Amino acid sequence: QKEVEQNSGPLSVPEGAIASLNCTYSDRVSQSFFWYRQYSGKSPELIMSIYSNGDKEDGRFTAQLNKASQYVSLLIRDSQPSDSATYLCAVRGPGNTPLVFGKGTRLSVIA
Amino acid sequence: SAVISQKPSRDICQRGTSLTIQCQVDSQVTMMFWYRQQPGQSLTLIATANQGSEATYESGFVIDKFPISRPNLTFSTLTVSNMSPEDSSIYLCSVGGQVPPEQFFGPGTRLTVL
Repeated sequence: QKEVEQNSGPLSVPEGAIASLNCTYSDRVSQSFFWYRQYSGKSPELIMSIYSNGDKEDGRFTAQLNKASQYVSLLIRDSQPSDSATYLCAVRGPGNTPLVFGKGTRLSVIA
Repeated sequence: SAVISQKPSRDICQRGTSLTIQCQVDSQVTMMFWYRQQPGQSLTLIATANQGSEATYESGFVIDKFPISRPNLTFSTLTVSNMSPEDSSIYLCSVGGQVPPEQFFGPGTRLTVL
């Protein structure tokens, strides 16, 4: 059974701080890793993808991947109240295997 | 990324009836998927909609309950049959996931079964 684990939160951070979201996965052959943001009542929105070990930065977002530890994280710098949402970690194996989602971490940025 | 639309956006249905949800994409896509998101839960894959052949269902989901059509590379339907209150959920169409591997979601259909 392929599993993706996330802390459900809520994770509360003050405005301007760095929010750190973590995810672990069980399938060692996983190859693609994604972070989605989901606002209440809306569908998931892809915000980051990462495929190789290390860091990938896009604006205020940094995704970090460590395949040896089966760990992927998302850092949000200068957190804003508009970042308050549920963040879903998703992992895919090789080929056309389906995405496996974690349960999501609810982030609350306090003004 | 492709623009994905779903109809209806929401519906309230009676127990025992069926609802067909449509998913339209503005460009041809190889992979289309149907997900369910129950209240307060994460996403669960129902099936992969295959163009020109039967859908591939995940464990726990069967064709009689969730028949799927995929007549071409831009359109798919999911039917929720013989509904019960446990089927109350958001149903999401998703595309992508091959090359490149990113996958995108439609706006969802919020279904309430009374």
